[in-house]
Order: sequence, then C-alpha cells, then structure tokens
Amino acid sequence: GIQVEQSPPDLILQEGANSTLRCNFSDSVNNLQWFHQNPWGQLINLFYIPSGTKQNGRLSATTVATERYSLLYISSSQTTDSGVYFCAVVDFGNEKLTFGTGTRLTIIP
Amino acid sequence: EAQVTQNPRYLITVTGKKLTVTCSQNMNHEYMSWYRQDPGLGLRQIYYSMNVEVTDKGDVPEGYKVSRKEKRNFPLILESPSPNQTSLYFCASSRGQGWRGGVGYEQYFGPGTRLTVT
Repeated sequence: GIQVEQSPPDLILQEGANSTLRCNFSDSVNNLQWFHQNPWGQLINLFYIPSGTKQNGRLSATTVATERYSLLYISSSQTTDSGVYFCAVVDFGNEKLTFGTGTRLTIIP
Repeated sequence: EAQVTQNPRYLITVTGKKLTVTCSQNMNHEYMSWYRQDPGLGLRQIYYSMNVEVTDKGDVPEGYKVSRKEKRNFPLILESPSPNQTSLYFCASSRGQGWRGGVGYEQYFGPGTRLTVT
C-alpha cells in the first residue's frame, strides 16, 4: 500500500516562530488532507488539498502531486497550535484515508 | 452547523458487555467510516459504508459490527468488547459522488470516543 511519511517527527518552537511541515507519499493520490489533532484528541480539518496551494489565516498548504509531497506552513505560531499534525491521502484503488506518521508540534510561550 | 457527532464521548466498560457507539452526520453524505487510533499504530480503518445498506470491512474489522439503515447514521457495535479494543474511535463522512463513492472527497471527522475496556 501507499506509504506516507511526515517530517520532522517532533518540533518545538517559541511562540511567534514560523514552521514548515512536510508530507511525502509514495504513489499518486486522489485526496490529500491536513489535520490538526488537538490535546483533547479531536481531529480538526485544516485543508483538503490534492493539488495546488491554499491559505487560511496563518496557515497555508501546498501540494505538488507530480513530485508526491505536500507542505504545511504555520506562521506566527501560537500556543493553541500545539498538537499533532497529520496528513492523510487516498490512493487510487483504495477505500480509505491512509494517515501519515504525524508531526508533534509544541509551542512554548 | 455541518458536523459529525459521536456518542458517548467517553466510555469505561467491562469485558463482554455489548455496547454501541453512535455516529450521525447532518451533511447528507453517502460515505461514512470508522477508524481507531492507537499509540504507535496510528489511525486504522475498521469499517466503511458507501451508502445505505452497503458496508464493507476495513483493515481491522475483527470484533466489530456496523449497520447503515439510514444515510445519516452509522453505529459501531462491539458485541463482546475485550481489553484490546481499548482505543480512541473516530467516525468520518464525506459526500458520495465521484471517486469510489466519496472516499476521494474531503472527509469530516467526529470528535472521537475514548473507550476503555477493563
């Protein structure tokens, strides 16, 4: 099956810093989403982005489908940004989202 | 407000006592699915449904049952829970046109159900 790897696995930043999270996938995809899992365990939809670039406030994402990667940018980090960030993909021929390994982000005040 | 709801949010139960976790969506989505999340194993799909009365197994279906009698509801049933089913469970839904009945579309997740089986 498709492999989805995220980097870095852990990231600790001071409040106000910027960060870039990366998601690499091993095959062509039909769907790519970014999620934030907050400390209470809830999965929050950030972006649905099988290709192209989107922005939502301090967050933006870019997927280059032909090169099989996606990037999530977080600017001016806040403590509420802490948690685990997952990318998830659907490859052709599959019936489910395959989640990446996650990036644990900790924002220090 | 468009949302996926799950109940209960937290549950502690004992081995062998049947339980049901409900899932409901108000977006008229055709595709619904259940995942479990475990440390070190990530999120794994349990069952999915492409439409009413159409369900199929995911990666880890053993010990679980589902039904899809109405489009909006997709309950997860544990007939005889065991401690290895202690986990965080998520229900998800997406609209059902196009690729594979909707799996290729943006999926929306419920708030999760923390289940502990002792």
